[in-house]
Amino acid sequence: DAGVIQSPRHEVTEMGQEVTLRCKPISGHNSLFWYRQTMMRGLELLIYFNNNVPIDDSGMPEDRFSAKMPNASFSTLKIQPSEPRDSAVYFCASSLDTYEQYFGPGTRLTVT
Amino acid sequence: SQQGEEDPQALSIQEGENATMNCSYKTSINNLQWYRQNSGRGLVHLILIRSNEREKHSGRLRVTLDTSKKSSSLLITASRAADTASYFCVNAGGTSYGKLTFGQGTILTVHP
Repeated sequence: DAGVIQSPRHEVTEMGQEVTLRCKPISGHNSLFWYRQTMMRGLELLIYFNNNVPIDDSGMPEDRFSAKMPNASFSTLKIQPSEPRDSAVYFCASSLDTYEQYFGPGTRLTVT
Repeated sequence: SQQGEEDPQALSIQEGENATMNCSYKTSINNLQWYRQNSGRGLVHLILIRSNEREKHSGRLRVTLDTSKKSSSLLITASRAADTASYFCVNAGGTSYGKLTFGQGTILTVHP
């Protein structure tokens, strides 16, 4: 199995630009999670989907962040407009009817 | 909060020694999981122990669970330099399916 795939692996952008992060979960998994990790705040859950439906988006920091899951094999996390404080590593994870989550390699986002 | 709290925050040992990390939690438990994160990488699920289990083994890993004390421990035997990583415990309390809240973790350094 290829595991959870995230793209891009690194993204450098200027403040005010739109950023789109992509995730392909493990085939057959029905839950997908977006996390953000920083030194100051640790690992935070932003949003998660079950069967492509957003279940809990209480961790999304503000309206500049949005996430979609149009089908079982693809999800996006969009930041518009981006700000320097959004700089972090963003992880996607997936699971199947269990509590064990499988994480992708992450996208390191730098907003200058 | 379903967040687990790891102790110690940092642990430094020599290769071949055993490493013990502890975890305390506050809310009711369905299962408790341990994850590892190597520097700059995604988290890797190590082991899950259910509320009705007291001990579980996986290779060089041994996890114990004491629900009366709301605590768990992770023992890594015969440590290797490759075990250098951050270790997180997560209480999957069962109130929000799939939603995991991570603590700050224990940073383990194994010196060759």
